[in-house]
Amino acid sequence: ETVMTQSPLSSPVTLGQPASISCRSDRTLVDTDGNTFLSWFHQRPGQPPRLLLYKVSQLFSGVPDRFSGTGAGTEFTLKINKVEPEDVGIFYCMQATHFPFTFGQGTKLELK
Amino acid sequence: EVLIVESGGGVVQPGTSLRLSCVASGFDFSSYAMTWVREIRGKGLEWVAGLNNNGLSINYGESVKGRFAISRDNSKNTVFLHMTSLRADDTGIYYCARNGSAGIFDSWGQGARVDVSS
Repeated sequence: ETVMTQSPLSSPVTLGQPASISCRSDRTLVDTDGNTFLSWFHQRPGQPPRLLLYKVSQLFSGVPDRFSGTGAGTEFTLKINKVEPEDVGIFYCMQATHFPFTFGQGTKLELK
Repeated sequence: EVLIVESGGGVVQPGTSLRLSCVASGFDFSSYAMTWVREIRGKGLEWVAGLNNNGLSINYGESVKGRFAISRDNSKNTVFLHMTSLRADDTGIYYCARNGSAGIFDSWGQGARVDVSS
């Protein structure tokens, strides 16, 4: 299976400051049609995950534009340009190019 | 409004079976793939299984292959996850989600808790 590795695993941040999370795969996530199925999810304690971005950089409906995604091939990044209190929680990347789909370990975002 | 509700969770002994159900409403269920994802305490999220809109294309995560079976009944807007040979490391919260396309898990239920313990 495709192994997804996130870093850091924990990120203390200051409100209003930017944050960045890296996600790497052990093989390319580009499929034979040239699509890259890399999604980002956010999960608050006691809540189901929520989709933030899909296909690397596509912002899901209703997600604030302070979130952005970049990357290609095997290296991807989620950026938050100004952290808000509601961003506290765990962020996961997930690849859906190869079966079985696989998640990264998660990055816990907490306030300093 | 899209609504997804899981049921069937509980406390079971190792080696036994359990069937989870996921009832969806608020969208054309037969047009969407569906998926199960579980949250294991201390380990994060793990993709369990998924099937396409007509249930003919099915895939499983490595750790459940051969033990779990996913199916759907489009006449009842329901997806099932039949879990057999349950182990302690299957303990967690099982979420059902709509799969808009590969990796677009855009709507989730609140989850069903499964506790495998003796």
